[in-house]
Amino acid sequence: DGGITQSPKYLFRKEGQNVTLSCEQNLNHDAMYWYRQDPGQGLRLIYYSQIVNDFQKGDIAEGYSVSREKKESFPLTVTSAQKNPTAFYLCASTDWDRNTEAFFGQGTRLTVV
Amino acid sequence: GQSLEQPSEVTAVEGAIVQINCTYQTSGFYGLSWYQQHDGGAPTFLSYNALDGLEETGRFSSFLSRSDSYGYLLLQELQMKDSASYFCAVSGPGNYQLIWGAGTKLIIKP
Repeated sequence: DGGITQSPKYLFRKEGQNVTLSCEQNLNHDAMYWYRQDPGQGLRLIYYSQIVNDFQKGDIAEGYSVSREKKESFPLTVTSAQKNPTAFYLCASTDWDRNTEAFFGQGTRLTVV
Repeated sequence: GQSLEQPSEVTAVEGAIVQINCTYQTSGFYGLSWYQQHDGGAPTFLSYNALDGLEETGRFSSFLSRSDSYGYLLLQELQMKDSASYFCAVSGPGNYQLIWGAGTKLIIKP
């Protein structure tokens, strides 16, 4: 079955550590996205990528980094520079054709301990 | 700037009909989408409107008026499982981005 897989589902990070969230898709979609969602809030765009080896900052990119070495993979690193990283992180993908439907992974809940 | 506005919360009774509105202001427009998100889960796609008019999918319908920059999601025969947050999103040309509303929490009472 086609879809997006995020891992891990829950992640705990100590202050000062970098952590990487995995996102893999087998939908053959060109575009991939990372969103952050805080409790009771909407989706805020961190980074997005249209094609391999290219990505763009979203609205809240500070303290995060990404790579897009393969079409299927778009990992997100939450660096120690992100001062308030505790949140729900969602990875999504869309086809290039007008973004009619975004497919989401199950999400990663990151908690700083 | 680009923005979407939707009510933060709507309350309805089980079995009733509810409408969630979305107005948008964006620099480009291909279509308006709706997503459902249950607490702790990921958003799931409900509908997409590119042209004016009403699209019906079972108990859910979605409407778009491009001239008014307005759309709505209509939920009929409400069930308790419909309690969730509903997001509208606009897709536009040029940058592959989806612009998201802040979401409407739908509370359903028995």
